[in-house]
Amino acid sequence: NAGVTQTPKFRILKIGQSMTLQCTQDMNHNYMYWYRQDPGMGLKLIYYSVGAGITDKGEVPNGYNVSRSTTEDFPLRLELAAPSQTSVYFCASQGQGNEKLFFGSGTQLSVL
Amino acid sequence: AQSVTQLDSHVSVSEGTPVLLRCNYSSSYSPSLFWYVQHPNKGLQLLLKYTSAATLVKGINGFEAEFKKSETSFHLTKPSAHMSDAAEYFCVVRGNNAGNMLTFGGGTRLMVKP
Repeated sequence: NAGVTQTPKFRILKIGQSMTLQCTQDMNHNYMYWYRQDPGMGLKLIYYSVGAGITDKGEVPNGYNVSRSTTEDFPLRLELAAPSQTSVYFCASQGQGNEKLFFGSGTQLSVL
Repeated sequence: AQSVTQLDSHVSVSEGTPVLLRCNYSSSYSPSLFWYVQHPNKGLQLLLKYTSAATLVKGINGFEAEFKKSETSFHLTKPSAHMSDAAEYFCVVRGNNAGNMLTFGGGTRLMVKP
């Protein structure tokens, strides 16, 4: 059982480049989340989804986009990378009515 | 609105001594509270959760936390630290809204000395 899988694990971008962080889960969870983790700041919610076709903004959505065309996949898109987006990104999923979050192993992104 | 404050960004203990990681929260309703642990270069793992049942919650690896409504606290403790406990710990409150949004504290780095 793979759980939540994130790719890539590391990435360096130049300012203005774009990329997609991939996240997939095999637990048939309805809820999926994208968080960013900055040092000393805990985790901040970027976007979340309560099911296929439904997404909504979290605390820090600016500069990001998401889509949820299937239950399994929840990719995060950076259109114009900025140094402020240097962070560690975590994808998570949660079954409906189940409060345990399952996290991916994270993506370390540097924008130079 | 809700918020979580972890009172110490770093805690250092000796192996075999007690661990106390402090967490205070604010919430306009009865909260659900969690502690997550993050080991270096790994994802987050749920340690324990409080969801309005018993106020003393036992988690994995010998950790426990006590919900104190009068003090709005949810401190994490362990009687005897082990070297493998060295990690980052996050206190989390769950929102009562669509998406079950979580608010994370800033984290506490636990260091365990031999």
